[in-house]
This record gives sequence, structure tokens and C-alpha cells, in this order.
Amino acid sequence: KQEVTQIPAALSVPEGENLVLNCSFTDSAIYNLQWFRQDPGKGLTSLLLIQSSQREQTSGRLNASLDKSSGRSTLYIAASQPGDSATYLCAVPYGQNFVFGPGTRLSVLP
Amino acid sequence: NAGVTQTPKFRILKIGQSMTLQCTQDMNHNYMYWYRQDPGMGLKLIYYSVGAGITDKGEVPNGYNVSRSTTEDFPLRLELAAPSQTSVYFCASMAGSYGYTFGSGTRLTVV
Repeated sequence: KQEVTQIPAALSVPEGENLVLNCSFTDSAIYNLQWFRQDPGKGLTSLLLIQSSQREQTSGRLNASLDKSSGRSTLYIAASQPGDSATYLCAVPYGQNFVFGPGTRLSVLP
Repeated sequence: NAGVTQTPKFRILKIGQSMTLQCTQDMNHNYMYWYRQDPGMGLKLIYYSVGAGITDKGEVPNGYNVSRSTTEDFPLRLELAAPSQTSVYFCASMAGSYGYTFGSGTRLTVV
């Protein structure tokens, strides 16, 4: 069974800091991994999708890496801003579906 | 291009009532999913569909039913609503290995 964990569960940083969010999964036989952002009371917005053949993907200040052999992915956020405050979730495939991590709740303080 | 559209956005039901949560996507995705998200918890899969006419149970299907008569629509039916079904419901669609697109959610309260 695929299990996904995320560390830390919550993180509070001052504006401008670089930060790393971690995602771990137990079954490394995945074909991609997706990072999402969820604002309070809202749906999930896709941030980055990494295919298994890729080691990383970048979008603006976000960079996600994937190490299948170790069952880990990291989301790096550069020069954090208060607008980055949200919950960040990772998801990996499992059968016909995806398994989601519990999320990391990020607060960026002005 | 609207993506995944869910209606209604909010609903209050009395115990024992029934309702249908609507989900429509205009991206011609074969895969569609229904999740529920309880406060402080992760997403739990209720039902999913890999194409029109094909549906299957997820992790928490009890108390729900779905149908998939067209590629675009994937409604979720709640029969005999219970307080345990108070949650936020998300519909999502996916095309192959290109990742999910989520709807904005339906916040349901059963009283």
C-alpha cells in the first residue's frame, strides 16, 4: 500500500526566507508526483508535476525535485512571500488513483 | 475553458435527506474522482471513474453513489444524509499521466 507523509506538518517563517518542504512515499514504483497548493476554504491548485523520468521541475520561485530510489520529493520555495501562505500537498499515483500526503501548513510572516 | 465545475458551493442538509453534488469537466478527461476532506485531515477517495459507464469504489464509499453516463459529468449522490458526511467534497479529473485538475469544492453540512 502506498503511504505518503509530509514533514513538517506546519512551518512559520519570516518573509524573504528560502524554505524546503518534504514529501516521502513508501512505494517507489511511481510514474509521476504532483505538488498542490490549497488556500483556506478553497480547492487544490496544481503547482508542479514531475514525471518519473525527470529529477526536477521549476516554476518561478518554486523548484520540486524527485528521488524515486529514496522515495522522496522536496519542494523548494525561494524568497518566500506572505502570499505563499497556504497548505502544500504532494500526491503520488497508486493503481488507478493518487494518494495524497496530509500537507504542510505554511505561514509566511510579513 | 472552465476546467472542473462543482455545484453547489455550499449546502445544508437535514439528517435523512438526499442530494446530488454535480461535477462537470470540459477537458475531455477520462478519469474523474470524488474526494472528501475533513477539517485538518487529508483527502479521502470516495469513488472514481476511468471512463463513461465505468465507476469503482475508493477508500470511503459507504453512504454514497455515483454514475458516469457521459465523459463530462460525474455526479455524487448522498442518500439518507448523516452528520458524519459533513465535509468538503472535491471533484477532480485527470488525463493519463498529466496530473489532476480539481474543482473548487462543495461545503456540505448535515444537521
